[in-house]
Formats: sequence, C-alpha cells, structure tokens
Amino acid sequence: GQNIDQPTEMTATEGAIVQINCTYQTSGFNGLFWYQQHAGEAPTFLSYNVLDGLEEKGRFSSFLSRSKGYSYLLLKELQMKDSASYLCAVADSNYQLIWGAGTKLIIKP
Amino acid sequence: DAMVIQNPRYQVTQFGKPVTLSCSQTLNHNVMYWYQQKSSQAPKLLFHYYDKDFNNEADTPDNFQSRRPNTSFCFLDIRSPGLGDAAMYLCATSRTGEVDEQFFGPGTRLTVL
Repeated sequence: GQNIDQPTEMTATEGAIVQINCTYQTSGFNGLFWYQQHAGEAPTFLSYNVLDGLEEKGRFSSFLSRSKGYSYLLLKELQMKDSASYLCAVADSNYQLIWGAGTKLIIKP
Repeated sequence: DAMVIQNPRYQVTQFGKPVTLSCSQTLNHNVMYWYQQKSSQAPKLLFHYYDKDFNNEADTPDNFQSRRPNTSFCFLDIRSPGLGDAAMYLCATSRTGEVDEQFFGPGTRLTVL
C-alpha cells in the first residue's frame, strides 16, 4: 500500500528552528510537495522537490532523499503565524497526490 | 486575482437531505479536484476531472456525485448525507494534472444534523 508518515504534533519556540520529517512509501515517485494549512483554511503550497537535496525559499527549506524515502521541511526564525499544520504529499506514478495527515506545529512565545 | 472560489463556506443540512456544493475557478486550469478532509486527517480525493474526463476514486461512495458543466465550474452532490459525511470539502485545481501545484479554494464546512 501507499503510505506517508509524519509526526502528529510538534511544539517550538518563537524565533527558533524546527524540522518536520516525512517518510513515504508509494507506487512510483514524481515529486514531493509540502503544503501549509491554517486551522479551518485550505492548504497553500510551500515547496516541491523531485531531485535529491535541499531547496531553500526564504525562511523555509525542504530536503529530499529519494533513496531513503525521506523529506523534511525546515522552518527558521519561527513566527507565531507559522502555527499551522504542515502536510507532506507525494505524486505517485499516476501523478496522484498521496497525502500525509499533517503535522500540527504549535509555536510558543 | 485568479482564484478558486467555493460556495457556501458553511453548509448545514439534515440527515438524508441532498446538498450541492459548488466550486468555480478563474485560473483556466484543466484539472479540478474534490477532496474530503476530516479533522486532523489527510485530504481524501473523491474525484477529479481532467477537462471533461471524469475520474472517480475507487473508494468514493456512490452517495457522492460530481458534475463539471464547463471549464470554470464543478459541483459536488451528496445525495443522502449521513453523519459521517460531516467534513471540510476542498476544491482544488491544477494546470496539467501532472506534477504541478494544486490551488485550493477556501473549502466548505459541511455539518449534518
């Protein structure tokens, strides 16, 4: 079967750095997406990785290792507005997105 | 601004009373998706349209139907809502349906009484 695993919840302090991990087992791989979802709102796109390595975009970076079936999202200089769920999704061989349940990130002052 | 619009944002219905949720897009994207998302769960794909080509997920109940009368609009019909159908329903679009970003509407939160 196809499976995406992420921690259910993480807590971090304002101004700190946090890393949210995602491991996956899918039928084929056509890239991995990270989305941010604030409570009661729709997901919004953060990043896309298809090649191994680190992609940096401002305070957010995303890393991929295809051989390990592993990705992480790194958030630096955390702000209170970063409190949200972070969803990992993998495009399988049919380009269908397989979604994780999301990691709820709680930021404390 | 180009966007994905969903109406209504909140919908309350009675057990067994049909309900229709709507989605429109001004992005001119080929692909439209309907997802169901329950609290703290992954979005679950119900259907998607590649242009007019309808694709039903194997485990989507028959109680859920969809229509896409034109490129811009897509509807989700729930014929006989049960208590288990209470959820957030998300409409999304993408340009090609391959590895491109999906753009989501704000969602419709459905409550079944």
